[in-house]
Amino acid sequence: EAQVTQNPRYLITVTGKKLTVTCSQNMNHEYMSWYRQDPGLGLRQIYYSMNVEVTDKGDVPEGYKVSRKEKRNFPLILESPSPNQTSLYFCASSSTTRPEAFFGQGTRLTVV
Amino acid sequence: EDKVVQSPLSLVVHEGDTVTLNCSYEVTNFRSLLWYKQEKKAPTFLFMLTSSGIEKKSGRLSSILDKKELFSILNITATQTGDSAIYLCAARGFQGAQKLVFGQGTRLTINP
Repeated sequence: EAQVTQNPRYLITVTGKKLTVTCSQNMNHEYMSWYRQDPGLGLRQIYYSMNVEVTDKGDVPEGYKVSRKEKRNFPLILESPSPNQTSLYFCASSSTTRPEAFFGQGTRLTVV
Repeated sequence: EDKVVQSPLSLVVHEGDTVTLNCSYEVTNFRSLLWYKQEKKAPTFLFMLTSSGIEKKSGRLSSILDKKELFSILNITATQTGDSAIYLCAARGFQGAQKLVFGQGTRLTINP
């Protein structure tokens, strides 16, 4: 089954404690992105990747890091989380032949 | 700055009504307009529109794009309670890579 898998689905952490949210897709898509969704603001792109070892900032990259060492994986790293990063996070993948984004199930992150 | 604006932000109707959701966009190197439905968590793809004036239809849902006036509408006829969801509009541009810019979403509630 074609899918984008994110882990964990829910996470509560404390300010400053480094965390990683994993994302994996099994569709051999070249494009992958991370979004955060906040009430009234819709989905905002954090980082995206066009292919292995090629990443770039989206609209709200501050406080986040990403890497793309393998085509299927695109982890999101918060080196020092802060309460304003409390949000619902989505990973998505797409390709040039299937440009509609396929989304993971989301990760609800709370930073206290 | 790339921008997508949806209206209304919230809509409550009775089962059986017809609704029209609006989406206007300003995106660099526009390629296509996408609609998603978000119920519990992950947005699911509904339509992708690339050409003006050509209606896309799936059951009771239909959508059309106007590239001259830079907007799209999503129509839902004979609404059902299962249509209750957030409907997201996204404009796909190209700036060295695919980029999806999302609107704030329209929260649609269908009352029995």
